[in-house]
Formats: sequence, structure tokens, C-alpha cells
Amino acid sequence: DVKVTQSSRYLVKRTGEKVFLECVQDMDHENMFWYRQDPGLGLRLIYFSYDVKMKEKGDIPEGYSVSREKKERFSLILESASTNQTSMYLCASSLDPFRGGGSYNEQFFGPGTRLTVL
Amino acid sequence: GIQVEQSPPDLILQEGANSTLRCNFSDSVNNLQWFHQNPWGQLINLFYIPSGTKQNGRLSATTVATERYSLLYISSSQTTDSGVYFCAVRRYGNKLVFGAGTILRVKS
Repeated sequence: DVKVTQSSRYLVKRTGEKVFLECVQDMDHENMFWYRQDPGLGLRLIYFSYDVKMKEKGDIPEGYSVSREKKERFSLILESASTNQTSMYLCASSLDPFRGGGSYNEQFFGPGTRLTVL
Repeated sequence: GIQVEQSPPDLILQEGANSTLRCNFSDSVNNLQWFHQNPWGQLINLFYIPSGTKQNGRLSATTVATERYSLLYISSSQTTDSGVYFCAVRRYGNKLVFGAGTILRVKS
């Protein structure tokens, strides 16, 4: 079974702090994703990575950065946390060797991190 | 971009009842997934089903790609089925586009 883990289930930070959210997958997946989920807005893609040190912006990258130094680990960084970044953060991974169609691009999600910024 | 609409937005069932959730999408897709989000926020994969029909226990799903819709069937519902059901599609590239979800409440 694919396993995607996230470093914290709940996190409380103060405005202006630098925040790191960590995600690790154990299935050698090329692709990793960070989403945020907010009531009424659904799941929105922040960033994704299709290889080590490679990243692409999603729909809402402002205020976030990412790091992928190893294939199994994808970090989301809030350089200076703000209250509007209070949200549920979900990490996902998928195997997508051809970056195309086929059955390899099923995404699997971690348990989520509920971040509160005070 | 591609639009994904789910219906109904809310559904309340008595335990043991059957239900059908629908997902309409506005363009052809390479990938369609159904997820169940449990009360703790975890997204559980139910089906990867860009076309055809699949069954897993009390759940089954059908996607008619040519008509741009997918259906999720839940039979003999249980209280543990409660939560939010999401449909998500991928047209090209790596990005999944999610519907707004169906909130299901199963009462005992």
C-alpha cells in the first residue's frame, strides 16, 4: 500500500513565523503535491514537483515555497505565516513516469495538517 | 479550465439505504478519481476510474467518458460512510481538479 505521511496533524504558529510542513512518501513516486482545503473553496493546488529539485506553481503559490531535495520528501514552507494561511494542508503523491495518461497517475493523499496561525 | 460539478451537495440517509452521487465534468479527461474524506480530514482513495465500471464491496462506480459524467453508488449505507465524497479529474499534465464534494450523513 502507498503510504504518505505528514509531519504533524495539528500545528499552531504565530504570525510572522517561518513554518515548515513535511511530507514523506514510501512508494518511489515521481510526483508530489501540496494542496490546501478551505470551507467553500474546496481543494486548491499550491505547488507540485515532478522530480527532485523540480517544482511548478499551482493555482495559489503566493506566500508559499517548496523544497524537494530527496525523491521521497516534499516540504512546504511558509516564509512568514499570516492568519489567512490558517487552513488544512494536504500532501499527495503519484507515479507518473510518462507525464501522460494511463493508470500510473492515481494520486494518494496523506492525513493532512491542520495549521492555525494566530 | 475544466469544470467539475458534483450533486447533490448534501445528502442525509437512513442506515441501510442506497444512494447515487454524480460527477459531471466539462471536457474529456485522462483520469477520474473518487475520494472519501473522513471526519479526521484524511482523503481515502475509493476508485481510479477514467472509464468503465468498478466495484469494491458495497461501493461501485461508473464513468461514461463520452458523456462526461461519473456515478458513485453506495449500497446498504452505514454510519461509517458519513463524510465528504469528492470527484477529481485530470485533463492533462499533473493537476487534479476537484469538485466541491457531496456531504453525506448516514443516520442510525
